[in-house]
Amino acid sequence: DTEVTQTPKHLVMGMTNKKSLKCEQHMGHRAMYWYKQKAKKPPELMFVYSYEKLSINESVPSRFSPECPNSSLLNLHLHALQPEDSALYLCASSLRQTYGYTFGSGTRLTVV
Amino acid sequence: TQLLEQSPQFLSIQEGENLTVYCNSSSVFSSLQWYRQEPGEGPVLLVTVVTGGEVKKLKRLTFQFGDARKDSSLHITAAQPGDTGLYLCAGPNTGTASKLTFGTGTRLQVTL
Repeated sequence: DTEVTQTPKHLVMGMTNKKSLKCEQHMGHRAMYWYKQKAKKPPELMFVYSYEKLSINESVPSRFSPECPNSSLLNLHLHALQPEDSALYLCASSLRQTYGYTFGSGTRLTVV
Repeated sequence: TQLLEQSPQFLSIQEGENLTVYCNSSSVFSSLQWYRQEPGEGPVLLVTVVTGGEVKKLKRLTFQFGDARKDSSLHITAAQPGDTGLYLCAGPNTGTASKLTFGTGTRLQVTL
């Protein structure tokens, strides 16, 4: 299995809702990442998990809360988002930095 | 902060033409990666270059890493509509190896 699976593919949520994005990989990669991508821009790093521990938080607002239940799963919990948080949220994993990342297809999030 | 500047930002060409995309930095990178991203999907890793001066070929795509490891190029021969997408170079941050710096991106459109 050489894929990163993200669910859901599309999500529309109100500013008072709570939702979660899910990411799963079975490649034995020990580093997992959340990125945010706005239209026509490169991905921006949000969080890095290494061996199931949060190693980097790029000063992301607390309305985004990551969770890594085990080495194969990565969640992103969303609460009280703003319309400007609408974007493509990408999950990725890697064995080692120089080996490159495997990205999921992303979740297209719209906050209304 | 290590920055990767790509040029051109946007390229529209006809099928059969050749093109080159550039990725430049004032910083040295231990390696550089190239990704292609199609609309609504996650980036897909094309290649990783590690050694200064290295040239790698992937069918009609030729990747080169500069001798000083500060720049890279992607050359496409006889472009096809299937080459359309956003091309991103990326390199590991020297200070924080888990962090990948993405280039500014080059949007390629190949028409019949």
